[in-house]
Amino acid sequence: KQEVTQIPAALSVPEGENLVLNCSFTDSAIYNLQWFRQDPGKGLTSLLLIQSSQREQTSGRLNASLDKSSGRSTLYIAASQPGDSATYLCAVSRDKIIFGKGTRLHILP
Amino acid sequence: KAGVTQTPRYLIKTRGQQVTLSCSPISGHRSVSWYQQTPGQGLQFLFEYFSETQRNKGNFPGRFSGRQFSNSRSEMNVSTLELGDSALYLCASRRTSGYSYNEQFFGPGTRLTVL
Repeated sequence: KQEVTQIPAALSVPEGENLVLNCSFTDSAIYNLQWFRQDPGKGLTSLLLIQSSQREQTSGRLNASLDKSSGRSTLYIAASQPGDSATYLCAVSRDKIIFGKGTRLHILP
Repeated sequence: KAGVTQTPRYLIKTRGQQVTLSCSPISGHRSVSWYQQTPGQGLQFLFEYFSETQRNKGNFPGRFSGRQFSNSRSEMNVSTLELGDSALYLCASRRTSGYSYNEQFFGPGTRLTVL
């Protein structure tokens, strides 16, 4: 049974710092991995989608990597800003889409 | 292109009642999935519909049901509401049902409160 874990559950960093969010999964037989952002009480916004054959994807200040063999993905955020404060979730897909419980990120002004 | 829309955005019901939530996918998307999000359990998959057929189902009781119409719009129904059904219900649309090369887009959610 696929399990997705995100550590830490919460993180506070000063504005301007670079940071890394972690996602691990137990079954490496996935089609893709997707990172989302969720603001309080709102829906999910897709940030990056990495196919199983890819190693990384980049969008602006965001870079996501995928190491299928070790069951790990990281989301790197460069030069963090207060507007980056949100919960970040990763999800892996095969026959179903399984989500982690997210990392709640707070950027301190 | 308009995003995924969900109605209503907020709903308050009492135990024992039933509720119907609606989701309109992005134009051209034929797959709609439903999720329940609670602080304790996180995001949990309810079911997925594609071309009016249920393709996949999560581990929820039969009180949770859904359907999809020919225009790909989907409805989710919860009967005999319980306090534990209070949650944010999210729907997501994808172009096709297969999971490869297939990004999911989420709606804003319906916040259901059961009193």
